[in-house]
Amino acid sequence: GAVVSQHPSWVICKSGTSVKIECRSLDFQATTMFWYRQFPKQSLMLMATSNEGSKATYEQGVEKDKFLINHASLTLSTLTVTSAHPEDSSFYICSARPTRGLNTEAFFGQGTRLTVV
Amino acid sequence: SQKIEQNSEALNIQEGKTATLTCNYTNYSPAYLQWYRQDPGRGPVFLLLIRENEKEKRKERLKVTFDTTLKQSLFHITASQPADSATYLCALNSGYALNFGKGTSLLVTP
Repeated sequence: GAVVSQHPSWVICKSGTSVKIECRSLDFQATTMFWYRQFPKQSLMLMATSNEGSKATYEQGVEKDKFLINHASLTLSTLTVTSAHPEDSSFYICSARPTRGLNTEAFFGQGTRLTVV
Repeated sequence: SQKIEQNSEALNIQEGKTATLTCNYTNYSPAYLQWYRQDPGRGPVFLLLIRENEKEKRKERLKVTFDTTLKQSLFHITASQPADSATYLCALNSGYALNFGKGTSLLVTP
């Protein structure tokens, strides 16, 4: 199956600093990628849809100036958590679908565990 | 608002038995429904997709049913094994993105 690689797997940062998370599609091109956040024992919550070459679409309640998304190529999307605070500590996961269409499976990165201290 | 509900309580079963997990949804009219497996600290992995006009779909020891009248899907694992222990997520399309239920944690004991 298709491979989506996410880096880093975990990161610890100080409050007020910024953290960048990378999501790469290794063997397919992804014009659209998705960023999710998951708190312990909770569902994956869609944060934003990342579109290659254009602005990301953010879900209601997600601050676009805090969670900066860049999708500069067909194989790479990045999520930058700016001025991170302890409440931003969570598990961030990216996803892409190799084939266009609603009847297609999604592939996920390994996830990034962010801890803000 | 759209909701996907899965039994949040963990399901504990004995090895060899059949596990049955439930997914109910409201305010969706899905053409497709998907099931994923998630292990702790990992991203979800796709298991099965079922279409609205399919009542049942099978893949090895897995079986999924889809009842659009009841707005429910059932996910079965037959002859369960300890390696099946994980959280199982139900997912529906919201536009091109997927929305997920909270998942049901399955523990299969020897």
